[in-house]
This record gives sequence, C-alpha cells and structure tokens, in this order.
Amino acid sequence: KNQVEQSPQSLIILEGKNCTLQCNYTVSPFSNLRWYKQDTGRGPVSLTIMTFSENTKSNGRYTATLDADTKQSSLHITASQLSDSASYICVVSGIGNNNDMRFGAGTRLTVKP
Amino acid sequence: DGGITQSPKYLFRKEGQNVTLSCEQNLNHDAMYWYRQDPGQGLRLIYYSQIVNDFQKGDIAEGYSVSREKKESFPLTVTSAQKNPTAFYLCASKTTRDSYEQYFGPGTRLTVT
Repeated sequence: KNQVEQSPQSLIILEGKNCTLQCNYTVSPFSNLRWYKQDTGRGPVSLTIMTFSENTKSNGRYTATLDADTKQSSLHITASQLSDSASYICVVSGIGNNNDMRFGAGTRLTVKP
Repeated sequence: DGGITQSPKYLFRKEGQNVTLSCEQNLNHDAMYWYRQDPGQGLRLIYYSQIVNDFQKGDIAEGYSVSREKKESFPLTVTSAQKNPTAFYLCASKTTRDSYEQYFGPGTRLTVT
C-alpha cells in the first residue's frame, strides 16, 4: 500500500472556481511534506514545503495546510486559471533516511473555460 | 526546470538494446536522483547518488545502471534486462543530503518497441 494517498484522482472545475486537493500519508516519523505541480510531459515544479511545525504555507493562489496529528494535507487553489491544469503531486519525507521520499500518484486537475 | 537538463526529450529504441539517458545539472548540487513515472502511479526511485563516485540502488534498480564520475552528471542506462522500460524518466537533484528542496529536470520519454 502506498504510504501517500491523494484524492481525488482527477478533478474538473470551471475557470475562476476554487478547489481543494487532499493528501493523506502514513510516513513516520515525519520530516516534511511538499506539493508539486507537474504539467503534462514536464518535470514537477515545487509549490510549497512544510515541516512538522508548520500548519499552512501559501504561494500566490496556492495554499497548503498540514495536520501532522491526523497525517493529512490539503492544497487549496483559489480563483483557478486555465494554466492551473496539471497534475499535483504530494511528496512526504521521513526522518533519518533522507532518501525515503514517498510520492503520491497525483491529482489530475483540468480547468475549463 | 531549475538548471537541470535531460536529453533527449523523446527516445525510441528496439527491444534488446541498451539506452543511456543524460542528466546534467549546473546547480552545484551534491545529490542526484533518477525516478521512473508510470500512469496512475507515484514516482519510483531507481538510483540516487549523494557524492561523486558513489551511488545507491533505489526501490526499482533492477535492469538499470548509473555512474557518477562528475558532480554535474548522472547518466542512467536502461539495459535489455529491464522488463518494461517504456516510461517517463525524471532526474532530480538536491543541494545536500539533508536539504528539503528537490529540483526536477524536464524528463525523457522512453519508448521501447
């Protein structure tokens, strides 16, 4: 079973609407959680990085939240644009082995005009 | 893509042939990684290197080989022993083994027929 589960698998919204993507993880002990945006056929680009002590982190219209107690994170996108159409990947790292990074399968977001 | 280049973007090979994917970075990063991305799955780690002339197997190293003769370069060879080589391959790097931020290259799409 993957240690990082993302939902929904795919999402279609209208331009200008908001949406929230979910990431649940079982990685323990926890070090940090990152959200990436990946355009089709391109490499992932970092949106936010959060450590254990951080509850929320914003990057423009993207806001990530983290609840380390319930092992849940969300990525909220405000006033969506057509260029937000992409896959959004949640990555969780554990403490100790710095290469123990676990990747979610991603949420495929499509923003329609 | 943060100073990481991968070439070529698309690669086609016949079954039974070895093929080498290039990854170069000018970020002066110590650690470099190779991942494989398949539809509906999270990125899976093939190999990683934390220092020149040293590398470690990841979760799915069978059928792959790497070298790290220079800090800037981390080529990946997909050998004929890899049972299902068709995939999207991503190279990444980090400043140090303990840093959180990981930068990705643009990826190489390998198709083997």
